Amino acid sequence: GEDVEQSLFLSVREGDSSVINCTYTDSSSTYLYWYKQEPGAGLQLLTYIFSNMDMKQDQRLTVLLNKKDKHLSLRIADTQTGDSAIYFCAPAKLNKFYFGSGTKLNVKP
Amino acid sequence: NAGVMQNPRHLVRRRGQEARLRCSPMKGHSHVYWYRQLPEEGLKFMVYLQKENIIDESGMPKERFSAEFPKEGPSILRIQQVVRGDSAAYFCASSHDGSNEQFFGPGTRLTVL
Repeated sequence: GEDVEQSLFLSVREGDSSVINCTYTDSSSTYLYWYKQEPGAGLQLLTYIFSNMDMKQDQRLTVLLNKKDKHLSLRIADTQTGDSAIYFCAPAKLNKFYFGSGTKLNVKP
Repeated sequence: NAGVMQNPRHLVRRRGQEARLRCSPMKGHSHVYWYRQLPEEGLKFMVYLQKENIIDESGMPKERFSAEFPKEGPSILRIQQVVRGDSAAYFCASSHDGSNEQFFGPGTRLTVL
């Protein structure tokens, strides 16, 4: 299987940038996803990056992939209180997703 | 276009009872995946099904757990003789043929008393 590690908590002030980091072990993962989970809810797909890319930008979200170091990050610009949630990194291969334990983002007004 | 539907949203069972969790994939999706999320943890893959076939069940516990995705109707995750350790949120996801993009349902939260 794949081991996926994320820091458990991140606290930022509204308007600041948030950077959520993720490391994984299987370099053959083909897609790498970021999901958002709000309390009591399912997972919402935020964005994903192909393993042959090193950056993807989508409005306030920027994903950086360092394939050599097996490190993935999600940057949220101008973080809002509505961004408070748990963020999961999920490398995927052959339709199988491997989830980290999630990073709980707390946005203070 | 309705998203992935799961029911019930909350399920309470006593030890030894059976739990049946249902998942209706998004319209046009024929691939279904089940995941389990224990408190304070990430999602763990359980099983991947296509219509009438189990493709990968490497994450399923060897006993008491089974899954099906019949030709008609929702996918069912069945847990027999539940124990307290089965208490978790069970999420279903679906994808279109050949697509890696999985769309998740809201989950079923199972509590075993």
